[in-house]
Amino acid sequence: QQQVRQSPQSLTVWEGETAILNCSYEDSTFNYFPWYQQFPGEGPALLISIRSVSDKKEDGRFTIFFNKREKKLSLHITDSQPGDSATYFCAASANDSGYNKLTFGKGTVLLVSP
Amino acid sequence: GPKVLQIPSHQIIDMGQMVTLNCDPVSNHLYFYWYKQILGQQMEFLVNFYNGKVMEKSKLFKDQFSVERPDGSYFTLKIQPTALEDSAVYFCASSLTGGGDTQYFGPGTRLLVL
Repeated sequence: QQQVRQSPQSLTVWEGETAILNCSYEDSTFNYFPWYQQFPGEGPALLISIRSVSDKKEDGRFTIFFNKREKKLSLHITDSQPGDSATYFCAASANDSGYNKLTFGKGTVLLVSP
Repeated sequence: GPKVLQIPSHQIIDMGQMVTLNCDPVSNHLYFYWYKQILGQQMEFLVNFYNGKVMEKSKLFKDQFSVERPDGSYFTLKIQPTALEDSAVYFCASSLTGGGDTQYFGPGTRLLVL
């Protein structure tokens, strides 16, 4: 049973367009949702994160929209650039335990064409 | 940003042998993690480690697995003996504090068990 689901599996957008990456989760105790960006041959790097008390988090061109009732969130990348081409992972944790075990989705491969 | 290093980047061994994966976490971090990613699958939590002890482990963390960080040096994952299904990319991560804090990932060790 996959706890965190991502769609689409892959996405191609033109430079300047907005890319929308989707994520949904099962566990209602999840309250922290980081998005990681990974380039080939590198480890995932934190891009942006949101906690369940918020419904939106913005950082430059990257915005997370969070719907707690539907257990869904999305990452919007506006004015997409070729350098944004990477794999994006949605993750979740229930950090009340204090030890922060992350549950990852399978990732969305984003290609931004110039 | 803060860097986590992993040594080696690739390892090929015969089934039944022992392997040690090394992680050099961010210098002032206190929490350490291992994740496993099989090709085409999501990254999955194996174990977290704090104050010299395993705090939580998943069902993937078999009896053949062990972790330690002797004298504040490398954080290691040892598999003894290895099995074919241990072939995967193993990512190390570290964070300064526990719940909800950013985990910084290394580039991964690609382990192939023949």
